[in-house]
Amino acid sequence: IAGITQAPTSQILAAGRRMTLRCTQDMRHNAMYWYRQDLGLGLRLIHYSNTAGTTGKGEVPDGYSVSRANTDDFPLTLASAVPSQTSVYFCASSLGMGRTDTQYFGPGTRLTVL
Amino acid sequence: GQQVMQIPQYQHVQEGEDFTTYCNSSTTLSNIQWYKQRPGGHPVFLIQLVKSGEVKKQKRLTFQFGEAKKNSSLHITATQTTDVGTYFCAGSGSGAGSYQLTFGKGTKLSVIP
Repeated sequence: IAGITQAPTSQILAAGRRMTLRCTQDMRHNAMYWYRQDLGLGLRLIHYSNTAGTTGKGEVPDGYSVSRANTDDFPLTLASAVPSQTSVYFCASSLGMGRTDTQYFGPGTRLTVL
Repeated sequence: GQQVMQIPQYQHVQEGEDFTTYCNSSTTLSNIQWYKQRPGGHPVFLIQLVKSGEVKKQKRLTFQFGEAKKNSSLHITATQTTDVGTYFCAGSGSGAGSYQLTFGKGTKLSVIP
């Protein structure tokens, strides 16, 4: 593994189903993030974690949950998917959550909820 | 909360023309970062500006941070087809506790060969 990996690459999901998007980084970064990207709306922060064991809510957290059991993994769970959650999801990490820390993004997961 | 506005949303240029995207914040920023996302790809960090009035160059790309640290710009000279993509600015606030990076909505650049 080099950098950040996300799985699956893409997924079509029926509304009401539960789905977990996986994210793993091997850079030993303390901070990790989940964004969704929708046309015309840029990158919107869903949840973040500044270190293992702690998480926080971003701009659009409703309908999503996260956990950070260890440094490397930061899964994002949709408990009961709805069509408005159709989006491209990016996981990112940074060394810390300081103002000058730069973020490294994974390749993304394209999710379609029908 | 902090808002970062980016204009224009879209820009189509002929290859060889210049391109500029602007980023404006409602509050004073501590620093600003620029990212590029190629079509179908993920955002990739380009550069960071920290000082008031700072100017940095990367080949044909020139980045500026305003004197008041409320705005920034990215200028590309003589665009090439390899410049195609969406350019995002992202800023951190200067107040206590405002560490989170806020992304602008991005400017999507198309280059016509």
